[in-house]
Amino acid sequence: QSALTQPPSVSGSPGQSVTISCTGTSSDIGSYNRVSWYQQPPGTAPKLIIYEVSNRPSGVPDRFSGSKSGNTASLTISGLQAEDEADYYCSSYTTSSTWVFGGGTKLTVL
Amino acid sequence: QVQLLESGPGLVTPSQTLSLTCTVSGGSITSGGYYWSWIRQHPGKGLEWIGYIFHSGSTYYNPSLRSRVTISVDTSKNQFSLNLSSVTAADTAVYYCARDFIADDAFDIWGPGATVTVSS
Repeated sequence: QSALTQPPSVSGSPGQSVTISCTGTSSDIGSYNRVSWYQQPPGTAPKLIIYEVSNRPSGVPDRFSGSKSGNTASLTISGLQAEDEADYYCSSYTTSSTWVFGGGTKLTVL
Repeated sequence: QVQLLESGPGLVTPSQTLSLTCTVSGGSITSGGYYWSWIRQHPGKGLEWIGYIFHSGSTYYNPSLRSRVTISVDTSKNQFSLNLSSVTAADTAVYYCARDFIADDAFDIWGPGATVTVSS
């Protein structure tokens, strides 16, 4: 099972919006709405910020939103804040009953 | 609330077996509706799912690691463990234990991670 494809890096200024894409296949993202996103500041463990494509766990700001079209999922962060600077990973359940992650995207807040 | 904490040796000799334990606190590992997983992150790289165990003992592993991985559970200690045999330098990584909510297949709780280096 190959990793999902994410851009290595994205950047934006405070207050702006950025979108991170996550491309998979018909065996993972394309087959299920079991796509999740994780935020990982340096030196810390990943934190769940989006599950089932577009749902936010309690406590996650509504500036974070997710969507999916075909084999590609997306995470949008609006109203960028300095504290959003982190690595972001997507994940999907697969038809092989496993989980696959993306390679990660480093978000820089300019 | 539920918390996870990994423990085990930080240094493993090549060809030996890597062993880590995840202790669950603030809740019972026998609570239905969850898989208990191991996930690793190679230095500067992305995440790799290793496998999971259900409190009943049923397991499922990443096919790429299946021949070397064993995950077990000790419900009396509220712990689950990872054994990875015949390790090489390529197994050097931060190892996380995580809880997966079966209903949405998302990893909602993670341990802080355990750094394991494979070196002689």
